Amino acid sequence: EAQVTQNPRYLITVTGKKLTVTCSQNMNHEYMSWYRQDPGLGLRQIYYSMNVEVTDKGDVPEGYKVSRKEKRNFPLILESPSPNQTSLYFCASHNLGTRAEAFFGQGTRLTVV
Amino acid sequence: AQKITQTQPGMFVQEKEAVTLDCTYDTSDQSYGLFWYKQPSSGEMIFLIYQGSYDEQNATEGRYSLNFQKARKSANLVISASQLGDSAMYFCAMRGVYGNKLVFGAGTILRVKS
Repeated sequence: EAQVTQNPRYLITVTGKKLTVTCSQNMNHEYMSWYRQDPGLGLRQIYYSMNVEVTDKGDVPEGYKVSRKEKRNFPLILESPSPNQTSLYFCASHNLGTRAEAFFGQGTRLTVV
Repeated sequence: AQKITQTQPGMFVQEKEAVTLDCTYDTSDQSYGLFWYKQPSSGEMIFLIYQGSYDEQNATEGRYSLNFQKARKSANLVISASQLGDSAMYFCAMRGVYGNKLVFGAGTILRVKS
């Protein structure tokens, strides 16, 4: 089954404690992205990757890091989480082209206290 | 820069009736794609329908159709014969020529009444 898998689904952490949200896709897609969803703002892109070892900033990259060492995996790293990073996070993958459907993970609800 | 505007924060519709969710967009790209996603209360993002900027016909997928008016830069989603299971958040999104991201609107919450 074609899917994007994120873990964990829910996470409560304290300010400043480093965390990683994992993302893996089994469709051999070139593109992978991280989005955050906030009420009234929709989803906004944090970072994206066009292929292994190729990453770039999206619209809201501050406070986040990513890496793409393997094509299937694209972890999101919060080195020092702050309460304003409390949000719903989605990983997505798709092929090249404007027509390509993006497949989303199940989402990770992060709370930083 | 690309922008998606969804002006309806919330909508109600009676079961079995049709409903239109509005979406307008702004882009300078000649080639782009428009998407609609459904997000039920469980949180996952479900792809509904796609319209390409060069597609001559409006897209349809079962009970979903996309009313694409290129000159007006609108891409409204029409859901026919609404069902209780259609209650969800709906997002309009677009991808431009570089293809590296989806730009989303703020979303419309749809509630179907029995």
